[in-house]
This record gives sequence, structure tokens and C-alpha cells, in this order.
Amino acid sequence: DVKVTQSSRYLVKRTGEKVFLECVQDMDHENMFWYRQDPGLGLRLIYFSYDVKMKEKGDIPEGYSVSREKKERFSLILESASTNQTSMYLCASSLRGTPLHFGNGTRLTVT
Amino acid sequence: KQEVTQIPAALSVPEGENLVLNCSFTDSAIYNLQWFRQDPGKGLTSLLLIQSSQREQTSGRLNASLDKSSGRSTLYIAASQPGDSATYLCAAPSGNTPLVFGKGTRLSVIA
Repeated sequence: DVKVTQSSRYLVKRTGEKVFLECVQDMDHENMFWYRQDPGLGLRLIYFSYDVKMKEKGDIPEGYSVSREKKERFSLILESASTNQTSMYLCASSLRGTPLHFGNGTRLTVT
Repeated sequence: KQEVTQIPAALSVPEGENLVLNCSFTDSAIYNLQWFRQDPGKGLTSLLLIQSSQREQTSGRLNASLDKSSGRSTLYIAASQPGDSATYLCAAPSGNTPLVFGKGTRLSVIA
């Protein structure tokens, strides 16, 4: 069974802090994704990666960056956290054409 | 750009009822469509993936159909149970872009 692990379930950070959200998958998936989920807005794609060292912007990349130095790990970085980045962050991985597998999410609160 | 719509946004049914959840998408050039389930505060769990060459997929009491020409997919749940209560999301890609998600249908099955 595919396992996608997000390092924290809950995180509280202060405005202006640099925040790292980590995601690790154990199935050698080439594709990895970061979404955020907000009430009324649904899931929105932040960044994705189709291979190591590759990254592509999604629909809402502003204020975020990513790192994929190893195939199994995809990190989301909030350069300077702001209150409007309070959200549920979901990481996912897949092989092309196969189901997306999600982690349990990180609920981030920025105060 | 792909847009995915799910109607209704919420649905409440008595236990044992058969029900249909609807999903429509604007760009029919998809190679697959996926249905997911999300329990409160959790990540998404993949239910069914329908390849563009298929018309339907079945898993237990779930059956998903795909009609690319009309831009529609349905998820049929037979003999609903309280444990089916969750939010159901459909998602479709557009070309080589990652999945675009609908906002989901929140299902409540009343015992």
C-alpha cells in the first residue's frame, strides 16, 4: 500500500516566519503535488513536480516555493508566512495515469 | 482550463437508499477521471479511476461512469450506509496538467 507521510498534522506559526512542510512517499512515484484546501474554494494546486529537481507552478504559487532534491521527498516552503496562508495543506503522489495518493494533511495556522 | 463542477453540494439520504452523485467537466480531452472520498479533517482516499477508453468502473457498492462527449461522470452508491457519510470529490486533468478538483458533494446517510 502506498504511503504518503506529511511531517506534521497541526502547525502553528507566526506571521513572517519561514515554514517548511515536508512530504515523503514510499512508492517511487515520479509525480508529487502540493494542494491547499479551503472552505468554499476546494482544492487548489500550489506546485507540482514530475521528477527530481523539477518543479512547476500550479494555480496559486505566490508566496510559496518547493524543493525536490530526492525522488521520495517534496517540500513546500512558505518564505514569509502570512495569515492568508492559514489552510489545510495536502501532499499527493502518483505514477502517470494511476490514482493519486494523498497524505493526511497538515493544518497550518498563521497568527 | 479545466473546470469541474459537482452537484449537489450536499445530500442527505436515509440508510439503504441508492444514490447518484454528479460531476461535470468542461474539457473533454481527458485521459482519466478520478473519484475520491474525504472524511472530516483527513486527506483524500482514491475510490475509482476511470480511463478515457472505459465507460465505467466498479468497486464493491460503488460504480462510476464516464461520458466524455457530454463532459459528465456519475458515482452510484448502492444500498447506502452511515459509514458512507463523507465528502466525495471528482477530479479530471486537462492535457498534461495535474488534476483539477470539484468542490465535492457532502453526503450524510441517516440511520
